[in-house]
Amino acid sequence: GENVEQHPSTLSVQEGDSAVIKCTYSDSASNYFPWYKQELGKGPQLIIDIRSNVGEKKDQRIAVTLNKTAKHFSLHITETQPEDSAVYFCAAPSWGVTGGGNKLTFGTGTQLKVEL
Amino acid sequence: DVKVTQSSRYLVKRTGEKVFLECVQDMDHENMFWYRQDPGLGLRLIYFSYDVKMKEKGDIPEGYSVSREKKERFSLILESASTNQTSMYLCASSWSNSPLHFGNGTRLTVT
Repeated sequence: GENVEQHPSTLSVQEGDSAVIKCTYSDSASNYFPWYKQELGKGPQLIIDIRSNVGEKKDQRIAVTLNKTAKHFSLHITETQPEDSAVYFCAAPSWGVTGGGNKLTFGTGTQLKVEL
Repeated sequence: DVKVTQSSRYLVKRTGEKVFLECVQDMDHENMFWYRQDPGLGLRLIYFSYDVKMKEKGDIPEGYSVSREKKERFSLILESASTNQTSMYLCASSWSNSPLHFGNGTRLTVT
């Protein structure tokens, strides 16, 4: 099955700085890489995703890059704001007997703290 | 807007009790999932279902079972709760090949 590693586990930045979170995956057949944000007391919510036919995708202050050769993908947040403080999870498809569908294996999470 | 509702926010049970965690989604999604979330371990898949009455084991199914009698409802069952099942439980649903939508979680404490 898929193995996803995520670093760092905690990240503290000053407001306005950039933040980068990195993930690696093991299955070269994986083709879909979402990022979820979990605010305190809530469930994870999708913030951006990328498919393997592109190398980068941007949505305002958030971007995701993918390097299929090296099997890693990263989340980039620019001009960080206090409301960006949350736990972020990367994920990749799990390929089981049924083909996996959108069954996901998640990374262990990154606690991002944006300080004023 | 998709809504995934977990019936309890907090639950405290005793060792050996049978525990039911309920999840309901309102978007007619085929797929439903149960994950548990523990510090430093991320989200780990317990069970999932692609259709009514259909279920498949995830990565950590031991000590759990599930039931999906109706498309909108997916129940997680702890047959005999143990202290190592103290955790945050997250339910999710989705269309095929579309993003997962999560509920807000049930924090279960087994004493």
